[in-house]
Amino acid sequence: EADIYQTPRYLVIGTGKKITLECSQTMGHDKMYWYQQDPGMELHLIHYSYGVNSTEKGDLSSESTVSRIRTEHFPLTLESARPSHTSQYLCASSEPGPNQPQHFGDGTRLSIL
Amino acid sequence: AQTVTQSQPEMSVQEAETVTLSCTYDTSENNYYLFWYKQPPSRQMILVIRQEAYKQQNATENRFSVNFQKAAKSFSLKISDSQLGDTAMYFCAFWTGNQFYFGTGTSLTVIP
Repeated sequence: EADIYQTPRYLVIGTGKKITLECSQTMGHDKMYWYQQDPGMELHLIHYSYGVNSTEKGDLSSESTVSRIRTEHFPLTLESARPSHTSQYLCASSEPGPNQPQHFGDGTRLSIL
Repeated sequence: AQTVTQSQPEMSVQEAETVTLSCTYDTSENNYYLFWYKQPPSRQMILVIRQEAYKQQNATENRFSVNFQKAAKSFSLKISDSQLGDTAMYFCAFWTGNQFYFGTGTSLTVIP
């Protein structure tokens, strides 16, 4: 089992609220990622980081922001949640190198009312 | 553009039988890496098998093997002696050096 943790597992919240999805890993991985996954759809990369103070946007446009102040922590924040943000969010991390697989968290299933 | 196509949204297989999940991809890169991930219901996504594009030999991990056809950009997963625990979503993915690209997944059900 990979040592990568996401909280909360499930969140139902009203429109306009500020939300932070937490992701932590204990493997010392420099690379971390956030994906958005809708049912029956592929994973879409929304943010990634190659190390502390490094953050980049992925292919899928997202209104969320991320920060990477510590190696083990990569939180994702939605300043003002909307129903269109309803989805599953997966966090992953990997070691450097081209052949290194990603280790995934359990995901956060987010529902915005 | 980098794309991954899994044309079988759902599949089923009888326990102990063999099943093959298909995956095709498109990339202009010459050096890349291919992966199959498994996501059991309500559980973490985990790596099943990986393949380096520069290697001709197909990867094998116990009951899991791939059929990698680089010219055809095809990367199918074969599961032999299917077990109930193999029931899951299976995602094909490739890594080009910048990021991973995932397919839409195939939902596999192993029938007792």
